[in-house]
Amino acid sequence: QKEVEQNSGPLSVPEGAIASLNCTYSDRGSQSFFWYRQYSGKSPELIMSIYSNGDKEDGRFTAQLNKASQYVSLLIRDSQPSDSATYLCAAYNTDKLIFGTGTRLQVFP
Amino acid sequence: DGGITQSPKYLFRKEGQNVTLSCEQNLNHDAMYWYRQDPGQGLRLIYYSQIVNDFQKGDIAEGYSVSREKKESFPLTVTSAQKNPTAFYLCASSTRLTEAFFGQGTRLTVV
Repeated sequence: QKEVEQNSGPLSVPEGAIASLNCTYSDRGSQSFFWYRQYSGKSPELIMSIYSNGDKEDGRFTAQLNKASQYVSLLIRDSQPSDSATYLCAAYNTDKLIFGTGTRLQVFP
Repeated sequence: DGGITQSPKYLFRKEGQNVTLSCEQNLNHDAMYWYRQDPGQGLRLIYYSQIVNDFQKGDIAEGYSVSREKKESFPLTVTSAQKNPTAFYLCASSTRLTEAFFGQGTRLTVV
C-alpha cells in the first residue's frame, strides 16, 4: 500500500466549474498535509497546507481534512484554463514528507 | 532573497561516472530533502536530513549518496551504481511538520 495515494487522472472540467481532487494516506500518525501544483517541467509550488480536521479556504481553493477517514481533498472553484496542471498531495509522516503520484487536471474553455 | 538554489539546471552524465547535484538554502530550515521525478510520475524520496551531520534513506536511496556538513547545504551524488539515473531531481527544505519549498530542479541525462 502506498503511503499517499491519488487518482492519476486526467480530471477534465469545464471552465468555471468546481474541480475536486482527492487523496488518501495510510499512516494515522501523519500530522500535516499539503497540496502542491506542478506545471510541466517546473518544480512544485505550494497551494495549501492543512493541519487539523475540517475545511481551510484560501481564495478559490478549499482544502478539507478528515483524519478519521485518512482523507484529504482540494476543491478549486471557478476553475480556469491556467489551473491545468498536476496537483500533488503530500503528508508529513513522522520526520519525512511523502508525496502522492499526483492528479493531472485539465480545464477546458 | 530567501530561497533554495539547485545547480546545475541541466547535467549530462557519462556511463560509469559519478556526478554531484548541489542544493543550497538560506531559509534557516532544519530539514532538507531530495526527490526524484520520472516523466508522468510523482516525487519519490531519495534521502532526507533533519539536522546537520545526520540523514536517512528514503524509498529509493540505492545508487545515491548525500552529506549534510552545513545546515545550508545538502548535496546529492549520483553514483555509477545507479543504473537508470535519467530523471528530474528536486531538492526541498522545510521546518519540521511544515510546508516544504523547492528549488528549480536539476534535469539529469545519461549520454
